[in-house]
Formats: sequence, structure tokens, C-alpha cells
Amino acid sequence: NAGVTQTPKFRILKIGQSMTLQCAQDMNHNYMYWYRQDPGMGLKLIYYSVGAGITDKGEVPNGYNVSRSTTEDFPLRLELAAPSQTSVYFCASSYSGLAGLPPPEQFFGPGTRLTVL
Amino acid sequence: GENVGLHLPTLSVQEGDNSIINCAYSNSASDYFIWYKQESGKGPQFIIDIRSNMDKRQGQRVTVLLNKTVKHLSLQIAATQPGDSAVYFCAEQETSGSRLTFGEGTQLTVNP
Repeated sequence: NAGVTQTPKFRILKIGQSMTLQCAQDMNHNYMYWYRQDPGMGLKLIYYSVGAGITDKGEVPNGYNVSRSTTEDFPLRLELAAPSQTSVYFCASSYSGLAGLPPPEQFFGPGTRLTVL
Repeated sequence: GENVGLHLPTLSVQEGDNSIINCAYSNSASDYFIWYKQESGKGPQFIIDIRSNMDKRQGQRVTVLLNKTVKHLSLQIAATQPGDSAVYFCAEQETSGSRLTFGEGTQLTVNP
């Protein structure tokens, strides 16, 4: 299995441009997540999805959109890029949690480093 | 709001020494805690977890301690090796939820 894959690895955008960060997983995980990591900081949740067709906002959703049309893919869309969105973006996935058991481990992709100038 | 944070931003140790990385949390509803290791240019990697009904859990060379009274979590790494150099994050989660909340991270540097 390839696990969680992300493309592109690096990208430079101009202010106001748009782009889509791709994320795919081949582990048949129901849950998928998008995080951003600013320099020297921990990860902050942008959006997550508990299954195809279902998405929810995380801690920092403003300026982003997501869709989940298939189990495998969870793209993150930036419509009007701003310098504040310069960050490293990580996608993660996990199995569904079972009541009474610890939450399942999240598996992370290698990240996309985005710079907005 | 609720937050998870770390006491020390950097930690430098000699190879072979034991390392202790600390974390404070404030969400009393959290009942599941995880330590992640993040090497430069890579995504976080799961190390060890602990549920709130435990106060200690051991893995291979790593031990996590949980003190619910003071809302404190620590990661102990025995016989630290150069390959342990990385940023370590604690994260907390409610068992009933699907969202992780990460702390800010501690940079561990192991000197040969």
C-alpha cells in the first residue's frame, strides 16, 4: 500500500490565485483530515470527513473548502490565496472509531509546502 | 479555549541519556492522549498512546506517563539515539470524537 499520498510536494502561489491540494489514501479508511502546520507550531485541523459525502469544519476552516466524493480522495481547495495561508499542509486518514475503544491511529501523508507571495 | 501545550520548546541530550518531554493539557473531557514524532520534512508518526484510565504505558524504549490530577503528560525515551532527533508533539482527543488537538511541539536534539 502507498498509504497517504499528497501532491504537489511544493507550490508557490501569488496572492489571489487558487489551487487544489490533492490527498489520496489506499487503506480504505473512512476518516480523512486536513491539517496545517505553521513554522515551529503544532498541527491545526482545517477540515475533516467521516465518510464519502460528509465533511465538517475543524479549528481553522476559513479560506478553504473540501469535498469527499470518494472514500479514497479528499482534496483541499484554496480559492483566493493569502500570505497567511503560507504553511505546510498535511493530510491524514484513519479507520472509523468504535464506541468504547480508543480512537484509531491517524496516518499522515508527507505534506505539501505552500508559499503565498 | 481548550489547549494542549508543551513546557519546553527545545531539549538537547547526549546520546545514551534518557530524555523526558513534557506536555500540559487543559481539556478535562479528553480521555485519550498520543505522542507523535515528526522528522524534518515528514509528516507526524505515531509513537505511543495512553487512555485516561491508565497512568503509565510502555513501549519499546518509550514510556508515557499521565497525571490527570495536574493534567500533565510526559514522554520518556530511554537510551536516546541520534535517530530520535525530531520534533515531538503531544495530542489529545475525546474518545467520543474524531478530532485531535495538537500541542506546539518540542525539538529534541541528540548529540553524539
